[in-house]
Amino acid sequence: GQSLEQPSEVTAVEGAIVQINCTYQTSGFYGLSWYQQHDGGAPTFLSYNALDGLEETGRFSSFLSRSDSYGYLLLQELQMKDSASYFCAVKPDSWGKLQFGAGTQVVVTP
Amino acid sequence: GAGVSQSPSNKVTEKGKDVELRCDPISGHTALYWYRQRLGQGLEFLIYFQGNSAPDKSGLPSDRFSAERTGESVSTLTIQRTQQEDSAVYLCASRQKGGTSGRPSYNEQFFGPGTRLTVL
Repeated sequence: GQSLEQPSEVTAVEGAIVQINCTYQTSGFYGLSWYQQHDGGAPTFLSYNALDGLEETGRFSSFLSRSDSYGYLLLQELQMKDSASYFCAVKPDSWGKLQFGAGTQVVVTP
Repeated sequence: GAGVSQSPSNKVTEKGKDVELRCDPISGHTALYWYRQRLGQGLEFLIYFQGNSAPDKSGLPSDRFSAERTGESVSTLTIQRTQQEDSAVYLCASRQKGGTSGRPSYNEQFFGPGTRLTVL
């Protein structure tokens, strides 16, 4: 079957570092994306990895290992505004549709 | 500039009625996607448009669901004879173009605010 697994919830304090892991099993693989969604809001794009390795964008970094069918999103210097749900999503074909995980709720506490 | 817009923002309907949901993508974006998100869950892919053709309809859950797109602009998702299990947020996303590239910016999908559908 096809699945994406990620933890359901992570809690951390302001200023900390959080790593959200994602393992996937899909019929095809072109790349792994990460999206952030605040309660009641639209998902917003954070990153995309097509090749193995680390991509860094400001406080957020994303990693991919295709041989392990595994990726992670690293959130550094956590801020209260980072409290949101984070979704990993696989692009399984060239047309660009996304298969999403169930999401990880990140709760940042003072 | 203007982002993706969707209307209505909320729709309450009775079981068995038909509903139409509208999406206005970002101007110039040729690729358009519809997703469904049930409460507390991830997004489920429904259908993909490249221009006004739909090469991938594999996510439509039943023949009660259909969608069309006019040119490279507005798309409507129609659900006929709505059922309570259709209750969800329906999200539309657009991307600059279809096809594939490894560049992150090429793969960014821009989402609208969604339509929250409640079937009583």
